[in-house]
Amino acid sequence: DARVTQTPRDKVTEMGQEVTMRCQPILGHNTVFWYRQTMMQGLELLAYFRNRAPLDDSGMPKDRFSAEMPDATLATLKIQPSEPRDSAVYFCASGLRDEGQYFGPGTRLLVL
Amino acid sequence: GIQVEQSPPDLILQEGANSTLRCNFSDSVNNLQWFHQNPWGQLINLFYIPSGTKQNGRLSATTVATERYSLLYISSSQTTDSGVYFCAVVGSTSYGKLTFGQGTILTVHP
Repeated sequence: DARVTQTPRDKVTEMGQEVTMRCQPILGHNTVFWYRQTMMQGLELLAYFRNRAPLDDSGMPKDRFSAEMPDATLATLKIQPSEPRDSAVYFCASGLRDEGQYFGPGTRLLVL
Repeated sequence: GIQVEQSPPDLILQEGANSTLRCNFSDSVNNLQWFHQNPWGQLINLFYIPSGTKQNGRLSATTVATERYSLLYISSSQTTDSGVYFCAVVGSTSYGKLTFGQGTILTVHP
């Protein structure tokens, strides 16, 4: 049963620290997405890649967030420096064109 | 960008009841998905349904793309159906980006 995996599942850190979240997409999927979920904003897209190339990162605060896909099996989302307002659940999803997106279990981030 | 509206915002049912959730969208879409977010936060794919009708057990969905809406039917509801149901669409000019509705919170009582 192919699944998207994410690590860590939970992260508590202090303001100013670097946070790195990792995602392993489903093998064969060529599109990877990062979403953030908060009570106030709901689910919002941060960035996405197709065939490892970044297509859109307009949803990310550019000064502190960065997303990369160093190879087809790994996507990373980094926050540096982290702030309390970054506290949220971060989801990675992968998919193929015309087949929909499949979500990982999420990383629950708390920045104190 | 494309707008997605879901109704009702909240729904409370007794176990065994049927329900219909609605999703309206403001523009033509290439993709429409229904998700269930369970109480543990996991987003579970229910349907990929840009048009037509699909069924999976007690759940079924219909999308009428020309009229810009989709319906999710839950029959003989169970307590495990509780959670938030999201409709999400990819607009025809959105290049794969899902836009989510605000969700319907479903509570099923035993």
